[in-house]
Amino acid sequence: NAGVTQTPKFQVLKTGQSMTLQCAQDMNHEYMSWYRQDPGMGLRLIHYSVGAGITDQGEVPNGYNVSRSTTEDFPLRLLSAAPSQTSVYFCASRPPGDEKLFFGSGTQLSVL
Amino acid sequence: GNSVTQMEGPVTLSEEAFLTINCTYTATGYPSLFWYVQYPGEGLQLLLKATKADDKGSNKGFEATYRKETTSFHLEKGSVQVSDSAVYFCALSPPIYNFNKFYFGSGTKLNVKP
Repeated sequence: NAGVTQTPKFQVLKTGQSMTLQCAQDMNHEYMSWYRQDPGMGLRLIHYSVGAGITDQGEVPNGYNVSRSTTEDFPLRLLSAAPSQTSVYFCASRPPGDEKLFFGSGTQLSVL
Repeated sequence: GNSVTQMEGPVTLSEEAFLTINCTYTATGYPSLFWYVQYPGEGLQLLLKATKADDKGSNKGFEATYRKETTSFHLEKGSVQVSDSAVYFCALSPPIYNFNKFYFGSGTKLNVKP
């Protein structure tokens, strides 16, 4: 049972480049979410989804796009990367009716 | 608004020392409260939780009590081990969001020396 899998683990981008951070879970969780972790600021919610075809914004959605075409996958897209998006990104899911979040191991992104 | 404030770290303790990591919160309504732990190179894992006032969450020797009057959820452990070295995050989820939104503190790094 793999849980929540994030790829890649590390990525370096140049300003203006685009990329997609992948997140997949094999626990059949309807709820999935993306957080960014910055020093001194903890984790902040970017976007979340309560099921296929349904997404909503969190605290810091600007500069990020998401879609949810399957229960298993919830990719995060950066259309034009900026240095301010340098961060560690975590994907998390949770079972229905449960408050416990299951986190992936993170993607460390640097934008130069 | 919703926010969580944690004591700044790092906190450095000797093995078998008593641990307290302070956490206070501001929230809409009466949120559920959580402590998550992050070991190096890994994602966060739920350590314990409390869903209503005066509830005590506990796990692996760690405890935290939901104090509505002081809006606090301090993490304690009576005797820390080297293996407890990690970053600890306090978090809340307001009931209005049905556990779709979580707010995390900035994290407190704990170093335990043998």
